Amino acid sequence: DSGVTQTPKHLITATGQRVTLRCSPRSGDLSVYWYQQSLDQGLQFLIQYYNGEERAKGNILERFSAQQFPDLHSELNLSSLELGDSALYFCASRRGGASETGELFFGEGSRLTVL
Amino acid sequence: AQKITQTQPGMFVQEKEAVTLDCTYDTSDPSYGLFWYKQPSSGEMIFLIYQGSYDQQNATEGRYSLNFQKARKSANLVISASQLGDSAMYFCAMREGKGSARQLTFGSGTQLTVLP
Repeated sequence: DSGVTQTPKHLITATGQRVTLRCSPRSGDLSVYWYQQSLDQGLQFLIQYYNGEERAKGNILERFSAQQFPDLHSELNLSSLELGDSALYFCASRRGGASETGELFFGEGSRLTVL
Repeated sequence: AQKITQTQPGMFVQEKEAVTLDCTYDTSDPSYGLFWYKQPSSGEMIFLIYQGSYDQQNATEGRYSLNFQKARKSANLVISASQLGDSAMYFCAMREGKGSARQLTFGSGTQLTVLP
């Protein structure tokens, strides 16, 4: 158990809809990351937050948005869903200190299926 | 350009034998970190081993060791005495960014199958 909690674990929805994925980082971790893993693909970095502020942006679509709240949990909002958005969405966290190795602790993922 | 390259989409190894999973990387930053993660069929990402660019010795964690060749920009994972439970997807990753804006960039992965 990594200590990172993601909900829901599975989600099935239709094209055009909007969903919200939630992540609670490990206790004390200030940095939260979102990654997307499509079928047969590696992990694509979407976005990172540190202590409530956006720190880095990767290949995140404009239809997607995220935020980190004062209690450090994070939400990833996916809107106008398309079939190609079907994927496993991971949240990961780390303490955030500059002296760290940078190891990320991953949640179990939220599997999104768009029909 | 690919920053992390894993050229072996799939590998097979006999139980109890050793196997090497290849990873090459590309960066101009003198300070970086390299990681290996394991993803079983259940889907979770499990951290295996870490190597810092300034580390003098190759990292080892139990049956896992990282063959770090800095000049060749390679960071191969060696699994000794393979077990059936080692069957999984393995990802190499590199730390990029500085300070609080660090993130990991992942390779495309290698699917390892351990044969009985």
